[in-house]
Amino acid sequence: AQSVAQPEDQVNVAEGNPLTVKCTYSVSGNPYLFWYVQYPNRGLQFLLKYITGDNLVKGSYGFEAEFNKSQTSFHLKKPSALVSDSALYFCAVRDGNNNAGNMLTFGGGTRLMVKP
Amino acid sequence: GAGVSQSPSNKVTEKGKDVELRCDPISGHTALYWYRQSLGQGLEFLIYFQGNSAPDKSGLPSDRFSAERTGGSVSTLTIQRTQQEDSAVYLCASSLVWAGGSGKNIQYFGAGTRLSVL
Repeated sequence: AQSVAQPEDQVNVAEGNPLTVKCTYSVSGNPYLFWYVQYPNRGLQFLLKYITGDNLVKGSYGFEAEFNKSQTSFHLKKPSALVSDSALYFCAVRDGNNNAGNMLTFGGGTRLMVKP
Repeated sequence: GAGVSQSPSNKVTEKGKDVELRCDPISGHTALYWYRQSLGQGLEFLIYFQGNSAPDKSGLPSDRFSAERTGGSVSTLTIQRTQQEDSAVYLCASSLVWAGGSGKNIQYFGAGTRLSVL
């Protein structure tokens, strides 16, 4: 079984400050990790993914995430937050085992509030 | 099309009625997924179609839920005898699945159908 934990329901950041949205995961095989963002009344938009290779992954809109195998974490980061980054962020995992199926398991989501 | 299209965007129904939700995936995507987003349960996987293989129905919450995918493209999620706890946003996603199981697929989501059961 696979699972994702996003320990913070909400993260508040001032515009221009760095932001971090936390994610930890549990999966039996190799983890394929994803971050998605959801704006009000919209579907989920893909931000970035880690499959293999460099632990630091860069994605859309200046976001990046660092894969840490020993801590089973995949925290989302941005050096300088924008008010327009305010949205709901989801971390997701799937088992990289070829026979494990392709469905994603999502965390509960973290609401990011960036204040001017 | 340019993205995953879902219809209707909103559906209000009475308890006990059947509903059908439609998903039109990105052209050429062989994999299609249904998820449900609800306040109490977060984002839950429902069902997954890949090519001509038998669908993975492991996430369907009850036998009132079913889905089909015709011609490897459009999918319909049917909920029979709707209950109030079925109220949620139903999200569809599609992806390419690379041969050889490299699995570097990115799932692209539609805007969802908001279902309200009165």
